[in-house]
Amino acid sequence: EIVLTQSPGTLSLSPGERATLSCRASQSVTSSYLAWYQQKPGQAPRLLVYGASSRATGIPDRFSGSGSGTDFTLTITRLEPEDFAVYYCQHYDSSLPMYTFGQGTKLEIK
Amino acid sequence: EVQLVESGGGLVQPGGSLRLSCAASGIPFSDNYMAWVRQAPGKGLEWVGRIKNKGNSYTTEYAASVKGRFTISRDDSKNSLFLQMNSLKIEDTAVYYCAREFYYKLDYWGQGTLVTVS
Repeated sequence: EIVLTQSPGTLSLSPGERATLSCRASQSVTSSYLAWYQQKPGQAPRLLVYGASSRATGIPDRFSGSGSGTDFTLTITRLEPEDFAVYYCQHYDSSLPMYTFGQGTKLEIK
Repeated sequence: EVQLVESGGGLVQPGGSLRLSCAASGIPFSDNYMAWVRQAPGKGLEWVGRIKNKGNSYTTEYAASVKGRFTISRDDSKNSLFLQMNSLKIEDTAVYYCAREFYYKLDYWGQGTLVTVS
């Protein structure tokens, strides 16, 4: 089973700054199966990025995903107040099959 | 507008059973794969399982933590998804979300329903 490890656990930044969130897989994964979600307190997760780098419908272009193999990154340029939330990466393992999530990165206001 | 609305959560004793429902609208429900994902209080997301569509024989798959205890089913005539949970354990306490699965991602989510096993 592939394990996704997100870092850092908590990221403290100010509005207007750039955020870089990491997701590392325990073995090489197919980029098509890698997604990112945002979750705010008391709300359901929201799909941000799929296929490692494609933005979901309605997601602002300040959100971007990149990476391949075992290392993936979600970048948020020019943080807005509404961007402070928890972010999860997700992988679909077609061989099992199942979905796995990283443990999350909390992006908090500094 | 896509809406997924879960219901059926509540308080149940260890060893008990509960059936969750998810009513879908705004999506071609019968064509879609559907999934359940849960989140224990203060914890991260955990995939529970999924059910494929009729064309794929309504095949189900489950996380190891719930296999043999939980059953996912659907009623396409009512655009509804279900999660039958038996032999519940304290560690099954969580908010349960239904979600549409679309090409290796979960693109629409319900608001969740809380299940407390105590």
